[in-house]
Amino acid sequence: AQKITQTQPGMFVQEKEAVTLDCTYDTSDPSYGLFWYKQPSSGEMIFLIYQGSYDQQNATEGRYSLNFQKARKSANLVISASQLGDSAMYFCAMREDGSSNTGKLIFGQGTTLQVKP
Amino acid sequence: NAGVTQTPKFQVLKTGQSMTLQCAQDMNHNSMYWYRQDPGMGLRLIYYSASEGTTDKGEVPNGYNVSRLNKREFSLRLESAAPSQTSVYFCASSVVQGGPDTQYFGPGTRLTVL
Repeated sequence: AQKITQTQPGMFVQEKEAVTLDCTYDTSDPSYGLFWYKQPSSGEMIFLIYQGSYDQQNATEGRYSLNFQKARKSANLVISASQLGDSAMYFCAMREDGSSNTGKLIFGQGTTLQVKP
Repeated sequence: NAGVTQTPKFQVLKTGQSMTLQCAQDMNHNSMYWYRQDPGMGLRLIYYSASEGTTDKGEVPNGYNVSRLNKREFSLRLESAAPSQTSVYFCASSVVQGGPDTQYFGPGTRLTVL
């Protein structure tokens, strides 16, 4: 069954340092997409970055990059040069894109990141 | 362009009361979704509508019903609210079901059932 696992309930990082948030997934569908969302204390869900299962290169969006290791079924989010505004809950999510594709997202439990000044 | 809107933002119900959460999107998206988020947890899919005129159950559908009123609107109804339904409810929509197109989320409805 499809599953997303985020094993780090909470993380601390010093301002201006890089941090990696872990995400592992499980699916039997060869075609899938992986997403990261940010949820600040205000509650909205903000899309950060996407990685397709057939993409050859790791996705990057500004200070966000996705360390995609397909064989290990991991899709870790790397935030470079952390800022105080990066303090938030971060969710990894997966969408299966095969024949039964419905656009549904499966979410992990989330990781709370706190950036220290 | 408002994106995805949800009403109300906050609601307090007593056990057994009913209510409907409204969701609308102005992005001409085909698919719409309802999620719930409990404290310290990720979002779990309640119901979804892959296209106008269709609805399907998600991971946690018990106690809920939905209506895809038209392409823009997707409502979630609690017929007899229970304390276990205290949660934050998010509506989302997406244009296609593959590739980098992501889901866009509404601001959420915080529901408390006493």
